[in-house]
Amino acid sequence: GQQLNQSPQSMFIQEGEDVSMNCTSSSIFNTWLWYKQEPGEGPVLLIALYKAGELTSNGRLTAQFGITRKDSFLNISASIPSDVGIYFCAGYYNTDKLIFGTGTRLQVFP
Amino acid sequence: DGGITQSPKYLFRKEGQNVTLSCEQNLNHDAMYWYRQDPGQGLRLIYYSQIVNDFQKGDIAEGYSVSREKKESFPLTVTSAQKNPTAFYLCASSIDRTTAFFGQGTRLTVV
Repeated sequence: GQQLNQSPQSMFIQEGEDVSMNCTSSSIFNTWLWYKQEPGEGPVLLIALYKAGELTSNGRLTAQFGITRKDSFLNISASIPSDVGIYFCAGYYNTDKLIFGTGTRLQVFP
Repeated sequence: DGGITQSPKYLFRKEGQNVTLSCEQNLNHDAMYWYRQDPGQGLRLIYYSQIVNDFQKGDIAEGYSVSREKKESFPLTVTSAQKNPTAFYLCASSIDRTTAFFGQGTRLTVV
């Protein structure tokens, strides 16, 4: 099936550093969603993007909907220990099918 | 409180048995989804439903079955035909293909 490629696969950073991750697809998407998942829990929605070029912030998080509609980016500024988790991108493909990226595992060291 | 409720949180199954995972939502969302997550992996789509009495196979539907008799409910049955059912199962609901919200998940273990 359709896949979303997410990179990097994992990141180990020091508290206070900025983080960038991205998600790419071979197909055009109409909506991009970014989620955070903590161990043993369901993913929690962070940011939703609906238009090509759109830039949306949620606190220290900023996400962008790529101009080509085939990619999206998530940035976290001034990371803190509670940012630890797995970040997933997701998108609506072929109108109704919601598919997910492979995830970026983030570790933050004090 | 509005939200999505999955039950049970932990489930143990003997080999050869069918088990049903519950997913209920009171958000009045039309669409519901089931995903499977293996350790260290992403979410893979099992089945999804846009309206009552209709559903579509996702990427890994073999060995699973669903029903959508009510808008609020989308139960998933893991059948004995699923050869490797041990996993974390997540249910989500969505409205108008804009956002999707998840339940807390059910961890299924075959013993």
